[in-house]
Amino acid sequence: RKEVEQDPGPFNVPEGATVAFNCTYSNSASQSFFWYRQDCRKEPKLLMSVYSSGNEDGRFTAQLNRASQYISLLIRDSKLSDSATYLCVVSTGAGSYQLTFGKGTKLSVIP
Amino acid sequence: EAQVTQNPRYLITVTGKKLTVTCSQNMNHEYMSWYRQDPGLGLRQIYYSMNVEVTDKGDVPEGYKVSRKEKRNFPLILESPSPNQTSLYFCASSLGRVNEQYFGPGTRLTVT
Repeated sequence: RKEVEQDPGPFNVPEGATVAFNCTYSNSASQSFFWYRQDCRKEPKLLMSVYSSGNEDGRFTAQLNRASQYISLLIRDSKLSDSATYLCVVSTGAGSYQLTFGKGTKLSVIP
Repeated sequence: EAQVTQNPRYLITVTGKKLTVTCSQNMNHEYMSWYRQDPGLGLRQIYYSMNVEVTDKGDVPEGYKVSRKEKRNFPLILESPSPNQTSLYFCASSLGRVNEQYFGPGTRLTVT
């Protein structure tokens, strides 16, 4: 069964805090992994792809653990503008055209 | 400006009245997809298309049809809408199989 599970949230954190989101996936054949961001009532937008070696983009760090089928997103020095829902996204299998989205974790950064 | 457009953005209709939601992209993307988003269920894929005249079912295709006659357009058709199809619908496109997906602004559909 295709499944992507995320922390249920919501996460309410003060400005400047470090926050981590976790995601597990069930399909061991999945090859591609992403984090998307969705603002309230808006369309999802790609935040970052997740590579096997881990990758960083400014305050954001994504990591992948294939053995544990686990993906993480770390946000350092949280800003008010980081408030959004973060979606973990996984391809459904090797060579697949389909993506499976997690239900998302809502983050609220508080002044 | 590179974008995915959807029309209409908001639609209220009655059960059984056929409707079409249009989706168009100007990025020459091969891959297009339709999703619905419901509270507590997240985004679920309805149909996708790998190229012109090539479509396949996603996770929740029942009650929907699609066509891909031109590369830029991928309309979603509800032949006989029912209240359980009330949802927020997103169209998306990408250059390749699992490249970054660009989403349209969404269509909020209410079926009474």
